[in-house]
Amino acid sequence: NAGVMQNPRHLVRRRGQEARLRCSPMKGHSHVYWYRQLPEEGLKFMVYLQKENIIDESGMPKERFSAEFPKEGPSILRIQQVVRGDSAAYFCASSPQPGQGRANYGYTFGSGTRLTVV
Amino acid sequence: AQRVTQPEKLLSVFKGAPVELKCNYSYSGSPELFWYVQYSRQRLQLLLRHISRESIKGFTADLNKGETSFHLKKPFAQEEDSAMYYCALGAGTALIFGKGTTLSVSS
Repeated sequence: NAGVMQNPRHLVRRRGQEARLRCSPMKGHSHVYWYRQLPEEGLKFMVYLQKENIIDESGMPKERFSAEFPKEGPSILRIQQVVRGDSAAYFCASSPQPGQGRANYGYTFGSGTRLTVV
Repeated sequence: AQRVTQPEKLLSVFKGAPVELKCNYSYSGSPELFWYVQYSRQRLQLLLRHISRESIKGFTADLNKGETSFHLKKPFAQEEDSAMYYCALGAGTALIFGKGTTLSVSS
């Protein structure tokens, strides 16, 4: 089991370009979470997705950021027209189906994508 | 407001010394608390959760609802414990993380 796979590990973009970050969950996991870690900060929740559904996007910036988890393929976090403030580590985590009425917080994290905007 | 506070950015101890990494939380409901660890060049991984009341790698953490704390403890630190430690609170569908504490254990 390869675990949660994120690519690329490092991504450099110029201001105004688009960044696409990919996350393949662990085999058997149907729930994906994206977190962002700014320098000197803890991880901040961005979005929670199941296949073809956004369940909670309360942590997503209102503009330029979007996420999807299609029926086939990895989850994608997309940042349009990147700015220097988007430079951060972006972590993806996955979990299996949680039990009835409970969230499953013991999820498995990927190694992260470090985005640098120049 | 839901919040996790780790007051120490860095904790340096000698091998064999006791370790306590502090974590305080603010949450109106019944909290679920976790400790995650990130060793150098490795991914973030779950260390322990309060509901399981287990001891992993010699670490324990007790939820104190009166003091709203979930401090991580180990009686005798080892050099391989050197890592970044994050306290996290389960809130709704997401985890709320503290800023982390770097534990440095030297001989």
